[in-house]
Amino acid sequence: QKEVEQDPGPLSVPEGAIVSLNCTYSNSAFQYFMWYRQYSRKGPELLMYTYSSGNKEDGRFTAQVDKSSKYISLFIRDSQPSDSATYLCAMSPIISNFGNEKLTFGTGTRLTIIP
Amino acid sequence: DGGITQSPKYLFRKEGQNVTLSCEQNLNHDAMYWYRQDPGQGLRLIYYSQIVNDFQKGDIAEGYSVSREKKESFPLTVTSAQKNPTAFYLCASSLGGSANHEQFFGPGTRLTVL
Repeated sequence: QKEVEQDPGPLSVPEGAIVSLNCTYSNSAFQYFMWYRQYSRKGPELLMYTYSSGNKEDGRFTAQVDKSSKYISLFIRDSQPSDSATYLCAMSPIISNFGNEKLTFGTGTRLTIIP
Repeated sequence: DGGITQSPKYLFRKEGQNVTLSCEQNLNHDAMYWYRQDPGQGLRLIYYSQIVNDFQKGDIAEGYSVSREKKESFPLTVTSAQKNPTAFYLCASSLGGSANHEQFFGPGTRLTVL
């Protein structure tokens, strides 16, 4: 079983819809949670970053972490065609100085917003 | 503008050849990373470096080598020992220490073995 599971999609929704993207994980040591957006043939860009449980909102994007269920979500409101991309979740444990700090990534969900 | 650059964007290699992928950053980040991305497998860590002149193997280091002689540069060599090198290679950097989880990525190099 992978440490981080993410539905690869593809996921297609009409413009203006609310999109929900999710990841589950098995390592209870994960404390930092990130969402990256990756356009085709480009490098990933950091979209959202949260620490521990709770919600974080940034414009049309909301990141949600439920540590009790080991489940994280990214919601996109009023989705736009420009949101069409692959979304990667990533997570890491509490980091000590110069330890084995590594991000563990999900496989990514490919999202298409249909005009 | 601060950022991470990777070159070349596309690279073709014949079997049995070594090739070196370039990664440069001007973000003054201490830590740098190399990932490989294959369809359906997400990002897998090849090597990472926390400080100059030091680096550690990641999850899939076999067939790869790196150097970190300067803070700004972290080149990756794909050797002929790498059995399946065709992939999209991504370089990333972070501040280091407790800020390692916020990694910023370059645009990637797509390597194809002919």
